[in-house]
Amino acid sequence: GAGVSQSPSNKVTEKGKDVELRCDPISGHTALYWYRQSLGQGLEFLIYFQGNSAPDKSGLPSDRFSAERTGGSVSTLTIQRTQQEDSAVYLCASSLGPRLAFFGQGTRLTVV
Amino acid sequence: ILNVEQSPQSLHVQEGDSTNFTCSFPSSNFYALHWYRWETAKSPEALFVMTLNGDEKKKGRISATLNTKEGYSYLYIKGSQPEDSATYLCAFINYGGSQGNLIFGKGTKLSVKP
Repeated sequence: GAGVSQSPSNKVTEKGKDVELRCDPISGHTALYWYRQSLGQGLEFLIYFQGNSAPDKSGLPSDRFSAERTGGSVSTLTIQRTQQEDSAVYLCASSLGPRLAFFGQGTRLTVV
Repeated sequence: ILNVEQSPQSLHVQEGDSTNFTCSFPSSNFYALHWYRWETAKSPEALFVMTLNGDEKKKGRISATLNTKEGYSYLYIKGSQPEDSATYLCAFINYGGSQGNLIFGKGTKLSVKP
């Protein structure tokens, strides 16, 4: 596609429910990154994919968070048993190896 | 743990002032250094990628330099305008333990007063 696409753009969920956030990277981009921005905070790294494997998932805050990438393309970030502190904007970015990364518009997650 | 430091944390300047800020990163196993511009309520936007020691890049009034031996990069903005107000992020890639991951600093928040 023309750019990185994330869906949904907004998600309101009840505490304790599971959510799935989707990222469609730019076609052909080998690297895919997930970050989040909590209110008033900077960019927090979550996980990095190179192809379908995740060499660095050190940023996942707990075992409630998981992510996968299939076919070297689409990635899904899953948060199980959501908590209020999971509320944030979740950003996905993709790049062709070490070249500049392009960000999606983000998914705003609100846990009520 | 790889650390990317940016300073200052925030900066307030008057319209027309020129300004610069710093990104420090580990100099070992260096591969690339990126700069991004992040406006409030938007997503980060790519500015530059630099890979070679001594690289200089320019985009309009914004330019950047790179010193891989000592592990720092400077971003310069000439004649700041209110629309330059944003957080400027640098990100570092090495091919050591992080295996190509993009490691971001916390950013420098620039506010330009008209």
